[in-house]
Amino acid sequence: DTAVSQTPKYLVTQMGNDKSIKCEQNLGHDTMYWYKQDSKKFLKIMFSYNNKELIINETVPNRFSPKSPDKAHLNLHINSLELGDSAVYFCASSSDVSGNTEAFFGQGTRLTVV
Amino acid sequence: AQSVTQLGSHVSVSEGALVLLRCNYSSSVPPYLFWYVQYPNQGLQLLLKYTTGATLVKGINGFEAEFKKSETSFHLTKPSAHMSDAAEYFCAVSDVGGGADGLTFGKGTHLIIQP
Repeated sequence: DTAVSQTPKYLVTQMGNDKSIKCEQNLGHDTMYWYKQDSKKFLKIMFSYNNKELIINETVPNRFSPKSPDKAHLNLHINSLELGDSAVYFCASSSDVSGNTEAFFGQGTRLTVV
Repeated sequence: AQSVTQLGSHVSVSEGALVLLRCNYSSSVPPYLFWYVQYPNQGLQLLLKYTTGATLVKGINGFEAEFKKSETSFHLTKPSAHMSDAAEYFCAVSDVGGGADGLTFGKGTHLIIQP
């Protein structure tokens, strides 16, 4: 049973479209994250969500918005997609915000904007 | 802001040889330290972490790392490389109490195992 699952695994779309990536965790964790991995494999935090509090990395364009219908889900919505948004997006979760607990990652969603 | 430096974007070792992947962090207060591994087309998996206590930590798959505060380092080692160790390795840090800020990652080291 997958701990953190993301759908879809691959997403190809045209510039200007709006798309969503879904993430679900069945670990009972309180904190969820979205990370972006670029073409050079560099990973950077985009958002974290804990107990209805959203922390946004200031470098993330406001075209990106996370939405959490409940504690087990943190979906990523992207408006007006641009070529530079092409990357692998990872959802992750951890049990708390102490910083010393393991983050569990999903398999990633490879987004290609054409 | 914290930063993590991984020396060597690619490291190549022979099967059976010692693996050494370097990681240095810059933080005024020692953070929590992690090593994650990423196999092709997969997510990240935790290898090991240092939070408090013993500075030599053992992880999965025979890996270990030592936290050296004086050197601000957290290098990853494995005595004998196996072909299955070929992957991307990421060092990451988290502020004490700063889990909501997520992990700060190094740029990764691609480990190549030569037969």
